[in-house]
Amino acid sequence: QLQLQESGPGLVKPSETLSLTCSVSGGSISSSDDYWGWIRQTPGEGLEWIGSVFYSGGTYYNPSLKSRVTISVDTSKNQFSLRLTSVAAADAAVYYCARHVLGGGYWYFDLWGRGTLVTVPS
Amino acid sequence: SSELTQPPSVSVSPGQTARITCSGDALPQQYAYWYRQRPGQAPLLVIYNDSKRPSGIPERFSGSSSGTTVTLTITGVRAEDEADYYCQSADSSSTYAVFGGGTKLTVL
Repeated sequence: QLQLQESGPGLVKPSETLSLTCSVSGGSISSSDDYWGWIRQTPGEGLEWIGSVFYSGGTYYNPSLKSRVTISVDTSKNQFSLRLTSVAAADAAVYYCARHVLGGGYWYFDLWGRGTLVTVPS
Repeated sequence: SSELTQPPSVSVSPGQTARITCSGDALPQQYAYWYRQRPGQAPLLVIYNDSKRPSGIPERFSGSSSGTTVTLTITGVRAEDEADYYCQSADSSSTYAVFGGGTKLTVL
C-alpha cells in the first residue's frame, strides 16, 4: 500500500529557506502517470496548493508562490522535495505531501501524508 | 476568477441530510473534488470528478454539479461525519489547483 511521509525541520527562521522532503513507500514514484504535490494549511485556516512535480521533473506551481517555490524529485530515493525561500510568519503551516492525479481533465489529490508542522518564530 | 466559495458552517441532526455547496466560475469547465478533514488528520478524498466515490467511501456520500455550483450531499448523517469539508478544483486553464475555504459540518 502506497504511503507518503513528510520530513524536515519543524522550525525555520524568517528570511531563511524552508526545505521539506516527502518519502514514498510501497510503490515507485516513477511507475505511474501521477504527479506528486505539496499542500499547506495555516493554523485554523484552509488548504493551499503549493505545487506539483512529475517524476521526469515537470512542474506546476501556484502562481501566488511561484517566485519562491522549487519542487524537485529524486527517483533514486523515491522522494520529492519542497523548497520555499524567504520564509515569513505567513508561511507557518502544516505542510502535506500528496499524490496528485493530474491529466485528462483530472486535478485531485487521492493520497496524503500525515503532514508536518513548520513554525516560523517572530 | 478561480476562487471557490463555501458556507463556513452547516449543522444537521443525526439521520438527516447535509448539503454543502461550493461555487466557482470555473466549475462548468472543471471537475470538482471533495475532501473530509477530521481534527488532527490529513484530508481524505470523498468525491472525485463531481460525483464519483473512491473505494471505501460510504454510499451516503454523493456529489452533484449544476452550472457554477457543486454540492456534496451526506444522507443519514452520523456523528462520525462531523468534520471540515473542502471542495477543490482547477482553474479554467488547468494550470493550478484551488481549494474552497472549507465548511465545518456540525452534527447536533
